[in-house]
Amino acid sequence: SQTIHQWPATLVQPVGSPLSLECTVEGTSNPNLYWYRQAAGRGLQLLFYSVGIGQISSEVPQNLSASRPQDRQFILSSKKLLLSDSGFYLCAWSGPGQGAAYSYEQYFGPGTRLTVT
Amino acid sequence: AQSVTQLDSQVPVFEEAPVELRCNYSSSVSVYLFWYVQYPNQGLQLLLKYLSGSTLVKGINGFEAEFNKSQTSFHLRKPSVHISDTAEYFCAVSEYGFGNEKLTFGTGTRLTIIP
Repeated sequence: SQTIHQWPATLVQPVGSPLSLECTVEGTSNPNLYWYRQAAGRGLQLLFYSVGIGQISSEVPQNLSASRPQDRQFILSSKKLLLSDSGFYLCAWSGPGQGAAYSYEQYFGPGTRLTVT
Repeated sequence: AQSVTQLDSQVPVFEEAPVELRCNYSSSVSVYLFWYVQYPNQGLQLLLKYLSGSTLVKGINGFEAEFNKSQTSFHLRKPSVHISDTAEYFCAVSEYGFGNEKLTFGTGTRLTIIP
């Protein structure tokens, strides 16, 4: 079966500090990977998605960036955090599981709550 | 471009009463439709999905949804709710055939069950 991990679970960072959030998926190969942000009381905003190693598409211009150094690893980064970067960050994957027919739905990790102070 | 509208931001319901959470979508091509549930401080969990075939789909926790192409709707229903159903519910749509299967989410409906 497939599992998705995110860490850290919570993070408190001062304005201007760097950020690195990590997401890894187990039990599948060549997944599509996604980063979302969920601000308080709002829906999900797609930030980045990746269809393969080194292939990143940005949905929203901002001071965040994403990288995919390995097939099942997706990293969200920032060089200098802003107050507006606070929120709940969710990683998700979609794509074929091992031995299964193609699945179109996305599966979400447990999330990282980021508070920028 | 596809879009999703969840008409109710909050829905209070008495325990054991039925509930319907509304979702309408807009797309120029065929779509896949999904309902997700999010409990506090957790990720999203898939409740059910419509890909093709029968327009009435059943999901986990006793939920079901009906795809209505003419009304471009995908409303979520449960005949009798329980306290544990208190959560936020998101409708999502995907335009298939493009390889990356991006999902567009609605803004969510907060379901509160009243004892």
